[in-house]
Order: sequence, then C-alpha cells, then structure tokens
Amino acid sequence: DTAVSQTPKYLVTQMGNDKSIKCEQNLGHDTMYWYKQDSKKFLKIMFSYNNKELIINETVPNRFSPKSPDKAHLNLHINSLELGDSAVYFCASDNAADRGKAFFGQGTRLTVV
Amino acid sequence: AQSVTQLDSQVPVFEEAPVELRCNYSSSVSVYLFWYVQYPNQGLQLLLKYLSGSTLVKGINGFEAEFNKSQTSFHLRKPSVHISDTAEYFCAVRLHTGGFKTIFGAGTRLFVKA
Repeated sequence: DTAVSQTPKYLVTQMGNDKSIKCEQNLGHDTMYWYKQDSKKFLKIMFSYNNKELIINETVPNRFSPKSPDKAHLNLHINSLELGDSAVYFCASDNAADRGKAFFGQGTRLTVV
Repeated sequence: AQSVTQLDSQVPVFEEAPVELRCNYSSSVSVYLFWYVQYPNQGLQLLLKYLSGSTLVKGINGFEAEFNKSQTSFHLRKPSVHISDTAEYFCAVRLHTGGFKTIFGAGTRLFVKA
C-alpha cells in the first residue's frame, strides 16, 4: 500500500546505455514530479506533470524524457547515460487542492560507470 | 527569482539538547514554506508547513518552526532531540501563484550524539 513507489531502487549501468525509472502513486494526486538529488544532497526539480500535462521542464538535458501514461504514473527515460547522471532520483506527487503536502518515493539510486 | 538558504550544512548536537536549524528565503511574491526530513537511504517526509495564519507551526516528531516575514526566515526548532532525529533536513518554498515548483535549500545534516 505504498503511496509513491519507484522502481528500481538501485540501478547500476554503463555509460551510453538507455534506462528507465518508473513511478506510480496510488493517492489519486493530480500532479507528479521528478527531482534529482546530487552527491551533496542538493535537490533540484526536473519535471512536473499535472493531469498528464507537462507543467515544469527545468534545464535538463534532452536525454531525459518524462512520460506520463496516466495521472498515476510518471516514468523517466534517460538516453545515452553519462557519468554525471549518477544521483538519486526522487518521484513525488501532490494535489492542487493541497499543494502543501507532497509525498515522495524512496528514491532510485542511479550509478553510471 | 526565489531562493532558499540553509545557513548550516551540518549541526552536531548532544541528545536531549535543543536544536535550531536555520532557513532564510528570498522571493518577490508570497510563498508557502516547508520543512522536510530525509532519513538515510529514504525519501523525503514532510515535517511541517506554513501556508497562512499563525506564524508558529507545529509538526511531527516534536518539531516546530516560526515564520518571520520581516526577516524572511523559517527556522526549525526542537526543544530536546533524540538519536533518531539524526537525518538531513530540507527547507523549501513554493510560490503562491502559478507553477507547481518547490525550491529546496541545500539541506542541513543534523547529527545527534549520545
């Protein structure tokens, strides 16, 4: 009954590969996010989708492409992985009615070797 | 542009001592303010939030924070910490209008010693 679940939890891959991280929320929220947390713990928003529509697209390389098949899912696909992509990626969700309470997933630790 | 500054990257403190984690923000428009906690190898959990009303906000685990508009601060406090409070704490702001963007501070690592 996890509220926001991400898979996989750990991902180790070689440079140049393409990988995807999946996120699902069962809270009925209308907005989902992807954040990147670097090695210094700094959290930065990457994308936000509201009702399957892209709302926020920060300065992120176009190798990163989010996909929202429905309101409950927001997947992150990364092409041609680079060493600098190594980080922890967090998915989150909240509702327009309660912007104050975002729920975060457990994170996906991506290591590019 | 909005920004969040957490003034201390690390705060070591002895168990049962009080603690204050400092947060200042800058914004040309009104914002909502939050504190999140991140335990090792876990996602973020909301500790407390300020949306409007009373400037003293109480959260989970005995934490509270006070919104000071004139000083643009939102410091987090706990009168007596436990070992289990050891974690990374993030201050964050979100705009009142438009956008769904939450901007996080760089985090403060609270380390509680026995």
